[in-house]
Amino acid sequence: AQKVTQAQTEISVVEKEDVTLDCVYETRDTTYYLFWYKQPPSGELVFLIRRNSFDEQNEISGRYSWNFQKSTSSFNFTITASQVVDSAVYFCALSGSNSGYALNFGKGTSLLVTP
Amino acid sequence: NAGVTQTPKFQVLKTGQSMTLQCAQDMNHEYMSWYRQDPGMGLRLIHYSVGAGITDQGEVPNGYNVSRSTTEDFPLRLLSAAPSQTSVYFCASSQRPQGDRDNEQFFGPGTRLTVL
Repeated sequence: AQKVTQAQTEISVVEKEDVTLDCVYETRDTTYYLFWYKQPPSGELVFLIRRNSFDEQNEISGRYSWNFQKSTSSFNFTITASQVVDSAVYFCALSGSNSGYALNFGKGTSLLVTP
Repeated sequence: NAGVTQTPKFQVLKTGQSMTLQCAQDMNHEYMSWYRQDPGMGLRLIHYSVGAGITDQGEVPNGYNVSRSTTEDFPLRLLSAAPSQTSVYFCASSQRPQGDRDNEQFFGPGTRLTVL
């Protein structure tokens, strides 16, 4: 069975602080994909990143960075110098062949960035 | 390409009524899936399909039926709506990851359903 755990339900930071959102996953698939999505108050799902299980290389995109570690089954997301516009709910998700590559989502972390 | 489309965007039902949420994609994707989103619960998988004629249950399938007669369409049916089915419903599609092909997921805009 697949499982994604986002232990942080809510995080509140002051603008310009760095913040890390944690994601731990469980899967029996040897090939799987990990995702992060952002859901702003408007409700749509905004794709941020996708990683396959064979690529543990960390990635940086502007103020966003991701740390994928298979040894600890974690795929953490860091926002550097947070901004008010980063306020949203962030979801980590996992897909694999056992469920037709449908996504298994964590419960989300609500991030509030205050000025 | 329109991507993944969902209709309607909003719907209000009375308990016991039936309805079908429509989902269509024009990208010739084999894989399609339905999710519901409730406050504090994230998105939970209802049903998914790996191709025309093939469907399977996800985490929360009770009260919902699906069928996949064509590659393009994956409708979700509520046979007898209940207040517990009040939620936001998302449909998604992706192609089969093979070789170097990635598992990019495409989401529809969602349907907000209220059951009174």
